[in-house]
Amino acid sequence: GAVVSQHPSWVICKSGTSVKIECRSLDFQATTMFWYRQFPKQSLMLMATSNEGSKATYEQGVEKDKFLINHASLTLSTLTVTSAHPEDSSFYICSARESGGPYEQYFGPGTRLTVT
Amino acid sequence: DAKTTQPPSMDCAEGRAANLPCNHSTISGNEYVYWYRQIHSQGPQYIIHGLKNNETNEMASLIITEDRKSSTLILPHATLRDTAVYYCIDPGYSSASKIIFGSGTRLSIRP
Repeated sequence: GAVVSQHPSWVICKSGTSVKIECRSLDFQATTMFWYRQFPKQSLMLMATSNEGSKATYEQGVEKDKFLINHASLTLSTLTVTSAHPEDSSFYICSARESGGPYEQYFGPGTRLTVT
Repeated sequence: DAKTTQPPSMDCAEGRAANLPCNHSTISGNEYVYWYRQIHSQGPQYIIHGLKNNETNEMASLIITEDRKSSTLILPHATLRDTAVYYCIDPGYSSASKIIFGSGTRLSIRP
C-alpha cells in the first residue's frame, strides 16, 4: 500500500513553454501533498505544501506564480512550471500524506524536467 | 533547516553491517525519527521509523538512545544495492509536520 505515482517520469520542453507534472496517491487519500526539487548532487528542497481544496503554501524563495500548484482532489496534485527556463531543469519529486494521520509521507518516483 | 545531523559519507564492505549514526538533539518527546534513503535518480524510499524503542523490519534495524538525542540505522548485511544517500528525519508530529531534508549520509558499499 501507500503508493504515489508521478507523470511523466521525464519531460523535455522548450524554453518559454509550460509543463505540468501530476502526482497521484494510488491507494489512499491524501489531504496534504508536498513538492520538492532536487538539483544534481544536492539534497531535496521543499518547494511547497498543498492542501486539498485550498491554496498551496510556498517555502521562502519559491515563486508561486512560476510554480503553480493545484490540489483539486484527495488523490491528485499538479505542479505546473510556467514559462520554463533552462535553470528550471531539475528533478521534481512529490510526496503525499494520508488523510487523518499517521503523519508519514510517501514519495513518488520523481519527474526529470529538462528545458532546452 | 533540517533538525538532524549526519556524517556526509561512509563506506562499508559488502556483507558487513553498515551502521549509520544520526544526531537529533532537539527532538520532542512525541516525535518519531524516520529514515529514508535515495538511490540515484529515484524518489526517497522509506526504511524505518521509531519513537523510543528499538525497531526492526525486513530492511533494517533502528537503535534509539535512551535520551532520544541520537539514533543508529543498521543495515545488517549490506549489499551493493544499498549504495544510496540515507536521510535521518525528524518531521515533527502534527498535521503541520513536513519533511525537510538535510544533506544525509552517502553510503558506499565496497565489493
